[in-house]
Amino acid sequence: EAGVAQSPRYKIIEKRQSVAFWCNPISGHATLYWYQQILGQGPKLLIQFQNNGVVDDSQLPKDRFSAERLKGVDSTLKIQPAKLEDSAVYLCASSRGPRYNEQFFGPGTRLTVL
Amino acid sequence: QQPVQSPQAVILREGEDAVINCSSSKALYSVHWYRQKHGEAPVFLMILLKGGEQKGHEKISASFNEKKQQSSLYLTASQLSYSGTYFCGTEQSDAGGTSYGKLTFGQGTILTVHP
Repeated sequence: EAGVAQSPRYKIIEKRQSVAFWCNPISGHATLYWYQQILGQGPKLLIQFQNNGVVDDSQLPKDRFSAERLKGVDSTLKIQPAKLEDSAVYLCASSRGPRYNEQFFGPGTRLTVL
Repeated sequence: QQPVQSPQAVILREGEDAVINCSSSKALYSVHWYRQKHGEAPVFLMILLKGGEQKGHEKISASFNEKKQQSSLYLTASQLSYSGTYFCGTEQSDAGGTSYGKLTFGQGTILTVHP
């Protein structure tokens, strides 16, 4: 089966600019996750969707980050405006269900904010 | 709350064994283990559930002590391909005593296997 797809793979922007990331999960996977991974650290969950509903966004900086999952399939994560500390790899993952299921990660988008 | 992993790094020769530990101060529903190679996405290794059930790759072994909120990953007869950063992800209950499967990952353990 095809894996989790993400684009772009790399993005360089100036601070205060906007950026959007796209994720296409594995077909049939109901749960979709966006993680932020800063160099040298473990992934940090930003938002978790179950179908097209949000089940956890407690660590999403809502003043600048937004995410949506239209029709319960693809998802987009947006940052507006970006700050220097947003430089990180943004990982999208999907799983069959929210609990006790393997998460399949995409290749990630490496964001550099200058 | 982020789980604590130990050691932070370990260096092995091929064929040697290693144990990576993951400890939480919160009661856990499950512990998940992933390996990430440099520049790549994390890859699933194992899930350990309360009650003793495990799901994962046959060649990987791990334990989960529910009372101590601790898990250990056992890497035996290491191979060069085992090199990478190992993360544990813990599933805790929220303030209402429920869980939607949110994982909190530790800071990682860097494993290097030399020929």
